[in-house]
Amino acid sequence: NAGVTQTPKFQVLKTGQSMTLQCAQDMNHNSMYWYRQDPGMGLRLIYYSASEGTTDKGEVPNGYNVSRLNKREFSLRLESAVPSQTSVYFCASSATYYYGYTFGSGTRLTVV
Amino acid sequence: QKEVEQNSGPLSVPEGAIASLNCTYSDRGSQSFFWYRQYSGKSPELIMFIYSNGDKEDGRFTAQLNKASQYVSLLIRDSQPSDSATYLCAVRSNDMRFGAGTRLTVKP
Repeated sequence: NAGVTQTPKFQVLKTGQSMTLQCAQDMNHNSMYWYRQDPGMGLRLIYYSASEGTTDKGEVPNGYNVSRLNKREFSLRLESAVPSQTSVYFCASSATYYYGYTFGSGTRLTVV
Repeated sequence: QKEVEQNSGPLSVPEGAIASLNCTYSDRGSQSFFWYRQYSGKSPELIMFIYSNGDKEDGRFTAQLNKASQYVSLLIRDSQPSDSATYLCAVRSNDMRFGAGTRLTVKP
């Protein structure tokens, strides 16, 4: 049972480049989330999808877009990367919006 | 004021001792409370959740919630070196907010 799978694990981008972070879960969870984690600031919510077909902004959505492709998959896109987007990105899922999360293994992104 | 506050630590305890981790939150409407463990370079892992005032025990872990004081804690009994990690407190009201975490070191 894979749980939550994120790809890639590491990425280096140049300023202005774009990329998509992929996330898939095999637990039949309804809700999915994208967080970023920066030293001393904890996890901050970028976007979430409470259920298939819906997406909403979180605390720090600027510079990002998301797509809930189906119940399993939730992708995060950086259209034009900037150095302040250097961070560790985690995808997570939960059975419903009110349950605890299962996290993916993370993507370490560096923007130079 | 941060919405979820934790002492960043590091908190150091000897093996076999009780480790006490604390968390305060600002939103009185918060409904559910979670503790995650995060090893260095790894992703957070859910270890406890609590919804009602009082204590909830699971093995060596006890979560304590006091909504009147807006305070939630995690006790780890018989601490082991393998418990050395960062512990994240998370609180759900409209959405899930995380504290920055407390780094725990258990010394053999």
